[in-house]
Amino acid sequence: SQTIHQWPATLVQPVGSPLSLECTVEGTSNPNLYWYRQAAGRGLQLLFYSVGIGQISSEVPQNLSASRPQDRQFILSSKKLLLSDSGFYLCAWSVQDRGLEKLFFGSGTQLSVL
Amino acid sequence: GESVGLHLPTLSVQEGDNSIINCAYSNSASDYFIWYKQESGKGPQFIIDIRSNMDKRQGQRVTVLLNKTVKHLSLQIAATQPGDSAVYFCAENMRAGGFKTIFGAGTRLFVKA
Repeated sequence: SQTIHQWPATLVQPVGSPLSLECTVEGTSNPNLYWYRQAAGRGLQLLFYSVGIGQISSEVPQNLSASRPQDRQFILSSKKLLLSDSGFYLCAWSVQDRGLEKLFFGSGTQLSVL
Repeated sequence: GESVGLHLPTLSVQEGDNSIINCAYSNSASDYFIWYKQESGKGPQFIIDIRSNMDKRQGQRVTVLLNKTVKHLSLQIAATQPGDSAVYFCAENMRAGGFKTIFGAGTRLFVKA
């Protein structure tokens, strides 16, 4: 069966510090991968998605970047964090069934930038 | 459209009652609709889905209704339990939309014992 791992679960970082969040998927090949952000009490904002190694699409211009160095690995990064980068970050993968997709989410990383 | 900046609406129900969570979607070309449940501090989990060629689908204690005429989706939870307390998101995607699922604003469900 497929599983998705996301770490760390919580992270407290000072403003201006770098960020690296990692996500890996097991039990599937060539998944579509996603990074979402969720502010407290808010909805889900799509940040990046990837359909293959080295292929990254950005949905919202911002202080963050994403990379996909391996088929089942997706990394969210920042060189210098801002206060506004605080939030709950979710990695997800999707399976396509006749052209329609169903998302499976990781457990999330709660990032606090102070 | 984007709703990530909005505070979540809430629904409060008594344990054992039925819950109905509503969602208005924006794109009449959407092919597929999904309901996700998000418990506090966790990632959303798939509950039930429905394709655009259907108007009703039932799962275990949950039913999704789709009204394409008014672009409305609802999730009905029978005999609501404390464990149903969570935020519920509707989502839509379409074959022509690439790999992008559009999420609704979400509704927070409180179940009173």
